[in-house]
Amino acid sequence: DSGVTQTPKHLITATGQRVTLRCSPRSGDLSVYWYQQSLDQGLQFLIQYYNGEERAKGNILERFSAQQFPDLHSELNLSSLELGDSALYFCASSVDRNSPLHFGNGTRLTVT
Amino acid sequence: TQLLEQSPQFLSIQEGENLTVYCNSSSVFSSLQWYRQEPGEGPVLLVTVVTGGEVKKLKRLTFQFGDARKDSSLHITAAQPGDTGLYLCAVTTGTASKLTFGTGTRLQVML
Repeated sequence: DSGVTQTPKHLITATGQRVTLRCSPRSGDLSVYWYQQSLDQGLQFLIQYYNGEERAKGNILERFSAQQFPDLHSELNLSSLELGDSALYFCASSVDRNSPLHFGNGTRLTVT
Repeated sequence: TQLLEQSPQFLSIQEGENLTVYCNSSSVFSSLQWYRQEPGEGPVLLVTVVTGGEVKKLKRLTFQFGDARKDSSLHITAAQPGDTGLYLCAVTTGTASKLTFGTGTRLQVML
């Protein structure tokens, strides 16, 4: 158990809809990272937050947004969903930029 | 083009066999990490290598960082079914320590 909790585990929704994925980092970790894993693109970095502030952005679509709250949990919002957004979404946390990442077990999103 | 290319992409072997997977790049890195991801779970860090030519052992797994710090290999001795999973190399890029993953090697060890 990595200590990182992601909910829900599975999500099935229709094209055009909006969903919110939630992540609770390990106790004491200030950094939260979001990754998308699909069969054709592998594990792709989306965005990082540190203590509530955005620190780095990857290949995150404009339809996607994220935030980290004062209690350090994070949410990833995906809107105007398309079939191609179907993927596993992972959250990871770390104490700081030099510490290893600990991944949650992901949310599997299926867009129909 | 991918920053980190891993080979082979897929590997299916019998229990007891040895294998090596590779992680290659044209860029130089200060360190490199190896992760294993099992079905239904997130990646788990196995090792970090930081020095060119460094060799690290983790039970039956041997990790090597290339002398020029552009590539790495993972050797598994006497593979077991529990070694089955997706092996990913990763490097930290950018000022915010973004972790970039390789293309992955999916290993299946059969009884």
